[in-house]
Amino acid sequence: GENVEQHPSTLSVQEGDSAVIKCTYSDSASNYFPWYKQELGKRPQLIIDIRSNVGEKKDQRIAVTLNKTAKHFSLHITETQPEDSAVYFCAASMYSKGPGAYQFYFGTGTSLTVIP
Amino acid sequence: EAGVAQSPRYKIIEKRQSVAFWCNPISGHATLYWYQQILGQGPKLLIQFQNNGVVDDSQLPKDRFSAERLKGVDSTLKIQPAKLEDSAVYLCASSKQPGLAGVHEQFFGPGTRLTVL
Repeated sequence: GENVEQHPSTLSVQEGDSAVIKCTYSDSASNYFPWYKQELGKRPQLIIDIRSNVGEKKDQRIAVTLNKTAKHFSLHITETQPEDSAVYFCAASMYSKGPGAYQFYFGTGTSLTVIP
Repeated sequence: EAGVAQSPRYKIIEKRQSVAFWCNPISGHATLYWYQQILGQGPKLLIQFQNNGVVDDSQLPKDRFSAERLKGVDSTLKIQPAKLEDSAVYLCASSKQPGLAGVHEQFFGPGTRLTVL
């Protein structure tokens, strides 16, 4: 099955600096890559996603890049703010023809702390 | 639209007891997922349903865990008997019918925090 690795496990940045979180995946069949933000005690929330036919996607201060050849994708947060502090999870998803459904595989998470 | 609903939000039981969790997905979502999230880790898929059929239950400890999704809507996840290592947050998520453009997104419920003493 798919294996998703995520680095770093913890990240501290000064407010206003940029933060980068990287993930690698193993199965070239994965074609959808969402990123989730999970605040303490809350549910994971989708913040940005990218499909395999796109190399980069941006939404205000967050962006995701995808390198299909190297099988890695990254989350970039610019001008970080204290409210960006949370755990971020990457995931890789592929469509399984047999059951006719998408399956998701999650990274282990990155705890981001933005220091005011 | 209403989100994914789960109950209870919190549950404390002693080991060897049984417990059940309930999930109501977003209306019209064909796919339902149950994840186990241990503190400090990413969600781990326990079981995935497509309508009322099982897509993947390869990581479900079938000797103690069971799940069903009757009529392709609500789902229940049961643990019997519970072990200390089952202490975790159990997340339910749902997504629309696959194959349609722009409908791949997975929505999570608030989770049930289980503590096994």
